[in-house]
Amino acid sequence: EDQVTQSPEALRLQEGESSSLNCSYTVSGLRGLFWYRQDPGKGPEFLFTLYSAGEEKEKERLKATLTKKESFLHITAPKPEDSATYLCAVQAGSGGSNYKLTFGKGTLLTVNP
Amino acid sequence: DTGVSQDPRHKITKRGQNVTFRCDPISEHNRLYWYRQTLGQGPEFLTYFQNEAQLEKSRLLSDRFSAERPKGSFSTLEIQRTEQGDSAMYLCASSLSSKKLFFGSGTQLSVL
Repeated sequence: EDQVTQSPEALRLQEGESSSLNCSYTVSGLRGLFWYRQDPGKGPEFLFTLYSAGEEKEKERLKATLTKKESFLHITAPKPEDSATYLCAVQAGSGGSNYKLTFGKGTLLTVNP
Repeated sequence: DTGVSQDPRHKITKRGQNVTFRCDPISEHNRLYWYRQTLGQGPEFLTYFQNEAQLEKSRLLSDRFSAERPKGSFSTLEIQRTEQGDSAMYLCASSLSSKKLFFGSGTQLSVL
């Protein structure tokens, strides 16, 4: 069974204090690893998809990286508007359900001004 | 930009009542998904449609749950004889391929 573990559960940063969120996964043939951002009371908002170990993607202050066992979401010089829950999800490549995402519980990020 | 639309945003019901939620996907998307999310948890997969065909139902979806997607357009999710454990955010997502899912804002269900 596919599993995703995110750490830490919650992270509090000062504005400008860079840090990283971790996503460890176990999956039968990784088809894709997804990062989403979720604001309170809203649905997840797509950030990145990573497909193979060594791949990196960037968007503004966010950079996602992927290894064979985990992914990191690096946040550089965060601002208060980056406060949200960040969700990691995997999509398995083997078996019939190669469209289904298995999510972790998320990391609640709070950036204080 | 018309994203995924869900209605209603909030629903409060009494235990034992039936409820129905609607999802309007992005117009050109042929794939539609329902997920359920409880507080402090990530979304959990419920069911998947490709066009009008329902291709998979999670074992989380008991017989009280039914989903339809007539003519491959909008979708409805019905819960019969609601229970307190059904209280959650019900999220709909759509996509053109499996590589990028777009989520709606969800329907928050509270069963009293």
